[in-house]
Amino acid sequence: EVQLVESGGGLVQPGGSLRLSCAASGFTFTTYRMSWVRQAPGKGLEWVANINEDGSEKYYVDSVKGRFTISRDNAKNSLYLQMNSLRAEDTAVYYCSKGGWLDHWGQGTLVTVSS
Amino acid sequence: DVVMTQSPLSLPVTLGQPASISCRSSQSLVYSDGNTYLNWFQQRPGQSPRRLIYKVSNRDSGVPDRFSGSGSGTDFTLKISRVEAEDVGVYYCMQATRWPPYTFGQGTKLEIK
Repeated sequence: EVQLVESGGGLVQPGGSLRLSCAASGFTFTTYRMSWVRQAPGKGLEWVANINEDGSEKYYVDSVKGRFTISRDNAKNSLYLQMNSLRAEDTAVYYCSKGGWLDHWGQGTLVTVSS
Repeated sequence: DVVMTQSPLSLPVTLGQPASISCRSSQSLVYSDGNTYLNWFQQRPGQSPRRLIYKVSNRDSGVPDRFSGSGSGTDFTLKISRVEAEDVGVYYCMQATRWPPYTFGQGTKLEIK
């Protein structure tokens, strides 16, 4: 059974940093592109970033370019999102999702950016 | 970026009746390999999104056959043949043809009348 478990969310001040993690199991992690998708409170879904199987290709939505970095550790079956220079508008539940077509999702982790 | 436009945004439906959600893209979603990467997701209240349909019309494992997807080019539809109580939630279309970025529709909230 595919499992994706996010962690690392919390309350952070504007301008601060946070690192999200996603622990994957139940599939061959090294053979799948992985994505982060976020959902602001009461709003729709927004794709944030994805990374290819070996970590050599990374793509971002324009609003996070230069501030967020996606990475993965295939030895640990883990996906990460380093978030710097956080803004109020980054407040959202962040989901980890498997594959280029988002076939499985984690339960999400809440990031709140507020002073 | 490709803009995805869903309608309606709110969909009250009587139990046992059909439901239909439209999704239109601002550009053709046909990829150079001939495939169309249009997915549908369901998000029940308080839950994570779940993919229902991929590549326009392919149901994911475990998805009831009352759900079906159709369409081509820029015009797509998700249909529920007979709505059940467990179908309440928000439905999103998403394109993965012209990326980055992947883009989602605004979401359609299905509720029981």
